Amino acid sequence: SQQGEEDPQALSIQEGENATMNCSYKTSINNLQWYRQNSGRGLVHLILIRSNEREKHSGRLRVTLDTSKKSSSLLITASRAADTASYFCAMNYGGSQGNLIFGKGTKLSVKP
Amino acid sequence: NAGVTQTPKFQVLKTGQSMTLQCAQDMNHEYMSWYRQDPGMGLRLIHYSVGAGITDQGEVPNGYNVSRSTTEDFPLRLLSAAPSQTSVYFCASRGLENYNEQFFGPGTRLTVL
Repeated sequence: SQQGEEDPQALSIQEGENATMNCSYKTSINNLQWYRQNSGRGLVHLILIRSNEREKHSGRLRVTLDTSKKSSSLLITASRAADTASYFCAMNYGGSQGNLIFGKGTKLSVKP
Repeated sequence: NAGVTQTPKFQVLKTGQSMTLQCAQDMNHEYMSWYRQDPGMGLRLIHYSVGAGITDQGEVPNGYNVSRSTTEDFPLRLLSAAPSQTSVYFCASRGLENYNEQFFGPGTRLTVL
């Protein structure tokens, strides 16, 4: 299976703190994406980083990619209670289909 | 734009029954896919399609059929439901190029007794 692994599985922090989630994958990727899922809802795309990029920012989100270690991290700065959700990395291994393979997710709880 | 819509939101079936989960998108996306989400397993790809008339299997296709007669619709059929198919099902769509984000529907929670 090409499924990625995320850690930690669960993370509990206070509002205002930073949250870091990590994702590791197994073979070369075309790009890696991060998604958020609020409880009982569908997934929402957050950010995409291409294999030739090392870092990307979007608002309070910072994503890094280390292709030599086959790993990525998502940093949420100055977290808010509304950031409480599950976060998933998804690997696009390219090819004609470009199917996404999802990690198992990190459940983030931000306490007010 | 309604985005990606799924019906029904909830469904309870008995073992052996059949049903179709509906998925539609109004973004003219070529690529559509079905995932199932189980606790602790993340999302696993069931079937996908890169355009009308074209479908292919994902990671966990057994027990499911799909068809793609139009760009907009991508129904998922369970021919003979089994308790192992109890899950939350998500439909997603995107443009065909690899760098496009996927848009997800709200999900269908299916219970098979």
